[in-house]
Amino acid sequence: AQSVAQPEDQVNVAEGNPLTVKCTYSVSGNPYLFWYVQYPNRGLQFLLKYITGDNLVKGSYGFEAEFNKSQTSFHLKKPSALVSDSALYFCAVSSMNTGFQKLVFGTGTRLLVSP
Amino acid sequence: KAGVTQTPRYLIKTRGQQVTLSCSPISGHRSVSWYQQTPGQGLQFLFEYFSETQRNKGNFPGRFSGRQFSNSRSEMNVSTLELGDSALYLCASSPSETRASQYFGPGTRLLVL
Repeated sequence: AQSVAQPEDQVNVAEGNPLTVKCTYSVSGNPYLFWYVQYPNRGLQFLLKYITGDNLVKGSYGFEAEFNKSQTSFHLKKPSALVSDSALYFCAVSSMNTGFQKLVFGTGTRLLVSP
Repeated sequence: KAGVTQTPRYLIKTRGQQVTLSCSPISGHRSVSWYQQTPGQGLQFLFEYFSETQRNKGNFPGRFSGRQFSNSRSEMNVSTLELGDSALYLCASSPSETRASQYFGPGTRLLVL
């Protein structure tokens, strides 16, 4: 069965500092990995995805993520955090074995960026 | 392009009733997926429809059903509502391409009393 772990419920970072939100996954077959962000009372906004190719994926709003197959990780990063980045971040995985559109989500990590 | 729209945005029902939620995908998108979001269980996949056919389903009881129309609009129905069905129901659409990303709507918040 597929699963995603986001080990940190909350990440605190000062504005201007780099941020990392961690994600590890378990899947049979090749993984497809995604990051979404959720603001209060809103749906999920797509940030980036890894399908194949370059392990470093660049996405929206200056975010990037690195796929590490040996560590089964897909951590989200940003070089310089903004207060407006404060939100709930979800990592998700799917595979062709279970269906590309069938996303399995982690429990989410709340990012709090202080001024 | 307009985003994914969901109606209604908020809904209050009582136990035992049934409810129908609607989702209009982004124009040109043919795949529609539904997810349930609760504080306890997080985000869980309900089902996916493509070209009016259910292509995949999650582990939910038969009280949860859905359908898709020829214009790709989708509805999900929950019968015999239980208190635990209170949740944010999210719809996502994606284009026909197999590995395209999903784009989510704002959700319908259902409260069962």
